[in-house]
Amino acid sequence: ELKVEQNPLFLSMQEGKNYTIYCNYSTTSDRLYWYRQDPGKSLESLFVLLSNGAVKQEGRLMASLDTKARLSTLHITAAVHDLSATYFCAVEAGNMLTFGGGTRLMVKP
Amino acid sequence: DAGITQSPRHKVTETGTPVTLRCHQTENHRYMYWYRQDPGHGLRLIHYSYGVKDTDKGEVSDGYSVSRSKTEDFLLTLESATSSQTSVYFCAISQTPNYGYTFGSGTRLTVV
Repeated sequence: ELKVEQNPLFLSMQEGKNYTIYCNYSTTSDRLYWYRQDPGKSLESLFVLLSNGAVKQEGRLMASLDTKARLSTLHITAAVHDLSATYFCAVEAGNMLTFGGGTRLMVKP
Repeated sequence: DAGITQSPRHKVTETGTPVTLRCHQTENHRYMYWYRQDPGHGLRLIHYSYGVKDTDKGEVSDGYSVSRSKTEDFLLTLESATSSQTSVYFCAISQTPNYGYTFGSGTRLTVV
């Protein structure tokens, strides 16, 4: 059974600081996704990582994938308040996604 | 989200009553999924469909059934709602599992 663990579950940070969210998974996967969710809203796709060593960047967010370590990271550079949200990683295996528990990010001015 | 609609958006129901949630898509995607979201658990797969009348169970399928009689509609039924089924339910669609997923806006269900 595929297990996906995210940490930390909650992250409070100051604007301008850097931080990393970690996503570990237990078995071989097809691809890994990162999503953002604002309160009361649906999930917004941020990144899809397809292969070992994949790195994708969009603005202040950068995601990477190490399939050998079964680890993905979401790095936040110089955080701004607008990045406050809950972030999920999700691992695809077979026909379905298995989600991590989410990281609630709060960026304080 | 464009192309995928969930109804109702909110529902309060009593324990023991049947409840049906609807997911409607206009994208003609083959795969449809039902997830539930609870604090600390992320989203967990309830059931999914890979074609008309083709469905399979997910991680947390007990107490739920689904039906897909046409490509565009995927129904989730709680035969006898319980308080543990209070949750936010998301539908997702995918053309194939390799082409990414689009999520609906969610249905907030409260069982009292």
